Amino acid sequence: AQKITQTQPGMFVQEKEAVTLDCTYDTSDPSYGLFWYKQPSSGEMIFLIYQGSYDQQNATEGRYSLNFQKARKSANLVISASQLGDSAMYFCAMREGRANAGKSTFGDGTTLTVKP
Amino acid sequence: DTEVTQTPKHLVMGMTNKKSLKCEQHMGHRAMYWYKQKAKKPPELMFVYSYEKLSINESVPSRFSPECPNSSLLNLHLHALQPEDSALYLCASSSRDRAVSTDTQYFGPGTRLTVL
Repeated sequence: AQKITQTQPGMFVQEKEAVTLDCTYDTSDPSYGLFWYKQPSSGEMIFLIYQGSYDQQNATEGRYSLNFQKARKSANLVISASQLGDSAMYFCAMREGRANAGKSTFGDGTTLTVKP
Repeated sequence: DTEVTQTPKHLVMGMTNKKSLKCEQHMGHRAMYWYKQKAKKPPELMFVYSYEKLSINESVPSRFSPECPNSSLLNLHLHALQPEDSALYLCASSSRDRAVSTDTQYFGPGTRLTVL
């Protein structure tokens, strides 16, 4: 069973609007971390935001926020005020506390295109 | 500073060549990783070094040989590769000073490898 599911292969958003990229996960480990990375066409994977399973508040980093719904096992990335430079592939990833120590599980990614 | 550097940026090699990829970080991180990524796919873990010791080998063919000479440096030695090994090779590092589930990986820009 896939541990990280990103159901949107591609998304379009108008410049300056907000966009939500979906991510659902599956784990039985009570301790886990959820990460979002951005990968522009240049190839570098850029860390955006982290949410821990025990965190009470949703994580925010500048224009990025994570809508963490633990009961639904979802960790959606919200990008506010989209910019042309946000066009990239976005990966959701999970690290578990006990199982698979040292490994990150990545989703298949969502390609975001920001339209001027 | 969350910089991981990788050299070279691009590499073209024949199937009989021997070459090496280099990765360096100066963040004091104690875990370093090699990933292979095909176009439009998520990264696939190859190797993990933790405190300069190989801790995970994801059943990678022996034509890929990792080496961790010190805590800042990670090499990937390549020999007798196949055309299907052409991919983006990403290096990452993480601090390992907290629980695995909170351990953020920081990636380098990658090496685009083409095997002829």
